[in-house]
Amino acid sequence: KQEVTQIPAALSVPEGENLVLNCSFTDSAIYNLQWFRQDPGKGLTSLLLIQSSQREQTSGRLNASLDKSSGRSTLYIAASQPGDSATYLCAVYYGQNFVFGPGTRLSVLP
Amino acid sequence: GAGVSQSPSNKVTEKGKDVELRCDPISGHTALYWYRQRLGQGLEFLIYFQGNSAPDKSGLPSDRFSAERTGGSVSTLTIQRTQQEDSAVYLCASSLWVAGTEAFFGQGTRLTVV
Repeated sequence: KQEVTQIPAALSVPEGENLVLNCSFTDSAIYNLQWFRQDPGKGLTSLLLIQSSQREQTSGRLNASLDKSSGRSTLYIAASQPGDSATYLCAVYYGQNFVFGPGTRLSVLP
Repeated sequence: GAGVSQSPSNKVTEKGKDVELRCDPISGHTALYWYRQRLGQGLEFLIYFQGNSAPDKSGLPSDRFSAERTGGSVSTLTIQRTQQEDSAVYLCASSLWVAGTEAFFGQGTRLTVV
């Protein structure tokens, strides 16, 4: 069964810290992996897309890595800001649909 | 349009009534997905359309749920005889083609069955 897990479930940090969010998936036969953020009561905003052949992607203060063989992806957030507070979702694409992790709820305190 | 558009944004319906939820994907996107998110829970896959191919309905929870996509663009998710457990946010996403490209989500339709 294709399962995606995320650690930690929740994280609360002071502003300015560098963060690491983890995503693990059981089936390594992925097409790609996408990180999203979800604000309360809102839809999903795409952050980064990593193809199965790639090792990492960067966008501004965000960097996502992918180790397909070990079934892991990591999202790094540098110099966190209160505006980064949201739930971060990892989604693995297997060719027919995305399998989502449960998310990491992040609070960045001013 | 500029993004995936869903309507209505909120829907309150009485138990037993039918509802229709609409999704307008990004122009030119051939793949379209429906997901459901119950309060405090993760996203559940419902159905997937790719071009003119038969949809993947493997995620639909019961035969009360159906979806269609007309002309390869707009999609409608229909829930018949709604139940309270159908209360959730229904999210639609689209992407340019099946594999390897970024998916974009709409803002969702919050369905409340009373």
